Amino acid sequence: EAGVAQSPRYKIIEKRQSVAFWCNPISGHATLYWYQQILGQGPKLLIQFQNNGVVDDSQLPKDRFSAERLKGVDSTLKIQPAKLEDSAVYLCASSPLTLFGEQFFGPGTRLTVL
Amino acid sequence: SQELEQSPQSLIVQEGKNLTINCTSSKTLYGLYWYKQKYGEGLIFLMMLQKGGEEKSHEKITAKLDEKKQQSSLHITASQPSHAGIYLCGADSNTGNQFYFGTGTSLTVIP
Repeated sequence: EAGVAQSPRYKIIEKRQSVAFWCNPISGHATLYWYQQILGQGPKLLIQFQNNGVVDDSQLPKDRFSAERLKGVDSTLKIQPAKLEDSAVYLCASSPLTLFGEQFFGPGTRLTVL
Repeated sequence: SQELEQSPQSLIVQEGKNLTINCTSSKTLYGLYWYKQKYGEGLIFLMMLQKGGEEKSHEKITAKLDEKKQQSSLHITASQPSHAGIYLCGADSNTGNQFYFGTGTSLTVIP
């Protein structure tokens, strides 16, 4: 069974530029999560989708971050414009359950904002 | 929001030694999860504990949940270099809409 795929693996941008990350969850998984992990910290949940609907986005900085999950499968997380403090690893995870349970994580996208 | 404090922050042990990592929650625990993260990679689920007093084992890793103390411990017996990585505890919120991770414990096992 294929795991959670993310791309790109690495991205370097200048502040105020835009960037987008892509996630393809495990086939059949209804729930998809985006996390931000700053160096030396635990991951922070930004947004949770169930199928193509948003369950919770209370921790998403909506002035600059946006996310969508069209057709309840792939998802895209966008930052526009990026700030220095957005430098982090962005992790995507999926789960077959509607509540958390075991989450399956992708390898992450490491973003560096200069 | 819920805070999960892990101790120690980092641990260096000789191969073959036992070790324990603790996770303390600022709020009541409804579900406690343990994940492992290899450097530069995603997280791997280890186990989930839901009931007070529950104890689970997977290979040489045992986790316990003390609901009253709002605490969980992860114990590794006879550590091996393959156990090296960052161990993270995680917990659901009582609404089920949020998930919080602890601060992480970095484990190095010296052969």
